[in-house]
Amino acid sequence: KAGVTQTPRYLIKTRGQQVTLSCSPISGHRSVSWYQQTPGQGLQFLFEYFSETQRNKGNFPGRFSGRQFSNSRSEMNVSTLELGDSALYLCASSIRGGGNTEAFFGQGTRLTVV
Amino acid sequence: AQRVTQPEKLLSVFKGAPVELKCNYSYSGSPELFWYVQYSRQRLQLLLRHISRESIKGFTADLNKGETSFHLKKPFAQEEDSAMYYCALRNAGGTSYGKLTFGQGTILTVHP
Repeated sequence: KAGVTQTPRYLIKTRGQQVTLSCSPISGHRSVSWYQQTPGQGLQFLFEYFSETQRNKGNFPGRFSGRQFSNSRSEMNVSTLELGDSALYLCASSIRGGGNTEAFFGQGTRLTVV
Repeated sequence: AQRVTQPEKLLSVFKGAPVELKCNYSYSGSPELFWYVQYSRQRLQLLLRHISRESIKGFTADLNKGETSFHLKKPFAQEEDSAMYYCALRNAGGTSYGKLTFGQGTILTVHP
């Protein structure tokens, strides 16, 4: 079956702009989580969606937001971009997001803010 | 707060040597522990989880609640084991909903 797909793979944006990243989970998976990966901070949890509802949120400012659609596809939005937002953004899908279910990761979207 | 520590950023061994990647965690509840691996130019993927008590690609990991550790071991390393390894923790209580807390990762290099 197809894996988790993230689009676009690469993005270059200017400070102050906003950006939207997309994640298509594995078919049948209803939980989608987002992570930010940077050399300094490593992998940090942003938020998790299940059945179009945000169930969990990490310690990121309100500029980071997301949503999930009825087909479980998810988008993540970052407004008023800062240089420090440059990172690899990973999305992971799982059947239900807990209970020892496996999380499958996408290839990531590399965001560069200039 | 939950925390995962991987003390070694880099680990180098020779082919055929034993390898142990260390992982310590702090968490007051009941944790689920995982090891994820990322090979060069590939996506992050699950290697093994403590609940399964399985051996994958010759790797094993035992959860030691007394020492709050979940070290990854392999008796004879292979060159294809060279990769970045992440230890991760999730609340088994069900309210963490998708949140994995990762360690900083260990880059394992196996020399021929």
